[in-house]
Amino acid sequence: DGGITQSPKYLFRKEGQNVTLSCEQNLNHDAMYWYRQDPGQGLRLIYYSQIVNDFQKGDIAEGYSVSREKKESFPLTVTSAQKNPTAFYLCASWAGLYNSPLHFGNGTRLTVT
Amino acid sequence: GNSVTQMEGPVTLSEEAFLTINCTYTATGYPSLFWYVQYPGEGLQLLLKATKADDKGSNKGFEATYRKETTSFHLEKGSVQVSDSAVYFCALIIQGAQKLVFGQGTRLTINP
Repeated sequence: DGGITQSPKYLFRKEGQNVTLSCEQNLNHDAMYWYRQDPGQGLRLIYYSQIVNDFQKGDIAEGYSVSREKKESFPLTVTSAQKNPTAFYLCASWAGLYNSPLHFGNGTRLTVT
Repeated sequence: GNSVTQMEGPVTLSEEAFLTINCTYTATGYPSLFWYVQYPGEGLQLLLKATKADDKGSNKGFEATYRKETTSFHLEKGSVQVSDSAVYFCALIIQGAQKLVFGQGTRLTINP
């Protein structure tokens, strides 16, 4: 079945460490997105990519970095510069047609202590 | 700009009650509209969509009608179940845009 795989589901890190969240899709979608969700909150866009080797900052990119070396993969690095990294992170992909929906992974819950 | 405003939550209902979650939007172009559902600890799943005025999206007993004249896309269900407890997001995308615009989400709790 086609879909998006995020791993791991739970991730624990010490403050000051960088951590990379994995996102892989086999839907052959060009566009991929990273969102952050805090408890009881909506979605905030961190970064997105429309094509391999290109990506754009979203609304809250500070303290995060991404790469898009392959169409299927869009890893997110949470750096030590991110002041409050504990959150639920969601990856999504999109076929690029305006009547088609985003497809989401099941998320990674990151806890930094 | 483009924006989506959803009914403030949380919403708590009894099983078999009628559900409405309001969603209104502003858009610079002609949007496609979506409702997503998020169950605890999971990602978002598409619930239904509508891509032109007067279209009705439906799935799992949920319905929403694209109303251009009132710029609304309210989610309804005639008889809710405990398993419908989740967070519901309304969203839009404008043709030619690169990103969806999401509402803030509405948490729904159904009591037996």
